Amino acid sequence: NAGVTQTPKFRILKIGQSMTLQCTQDMNHNYMYWYRQDPGMGLKLIYYSVGAGITDKGEVPNGYNVSRSTTEDFPLRLELAAPSQTSVYFCASNPKTGSRQPQHFGDGTRLSIL
Amino acid sequence: AQKVTQAQTEISVVEKEDVTLDCVYETRDTTYYLFWYKQPPSGELVFLIRRNSFDEQNEISGRYSWNFQKSTSSFNFTITASQVVDSAVYFCALSDIQGAQKLVFGQGTRLTINP
Repeated sequence: NAGVTQTPKFRILKIGQSMTLQCTQDMNHNYMYWYRQDPGMGLKLIYYSVGAGITDKGEVPNGYNVSRSTTEDFPLRLELAAPSQTSVYFCASNPKTGSRQPQHFGDGTRLSIL
Repeated sequence: AQKVTQAQTEISVVEKEDVTLDCVYETRDTTYYLFWYKQPPSGELVFLIRRNSFDEQNEISGRYSWNFQKSTSSFNFTITASQVVDSAVYFCALSDIQGAQKLVFGQGTRLTINP
């Protein structure tokens, strides 16, 4: 059971480039989330999804897009990379409302925009 | 809006000392979850505990204990007889229960245990 898998683990982008951060979970969880962690800070929610085909903005959505075509996958898209998007990105999943299980986090993607 | 405050940015103690990490939260929800996560130098997030707002019993797990006080909106974390392996950044977090359970994190406390 792999849990939440994020790829890549590290990436360096040039300003203006685009990329997709991949996130896959094999636990059949309904809820999925993308957070970013800036240096010395806590995590902030970018986007989340409560099921396939349903996504919504979090606290810091500007500059990002998401899609949720399947239960398993929740990719995060950066269209025009900016230095302010240098951060560590965490994907997480949650079974459903009222579940006794906590959120499961991936190991993170460290992204640098130069 | 929900908010979590960890006023202690950094704490440094000598091994075997007890240390308490403070967490104060704000929410309008009547039911909610509170969490503590550990982030070691390797960077992953390690789940430590989740508490329901309607369960104010303190909890102990080995050298770790948690004190939840709804009256003061606090959820403090104590490590007894600290060890060097406890060195990490610790995050307190809050989520609703009935909604999408989005986590709101505090800024974290960097704990350094010196030998």
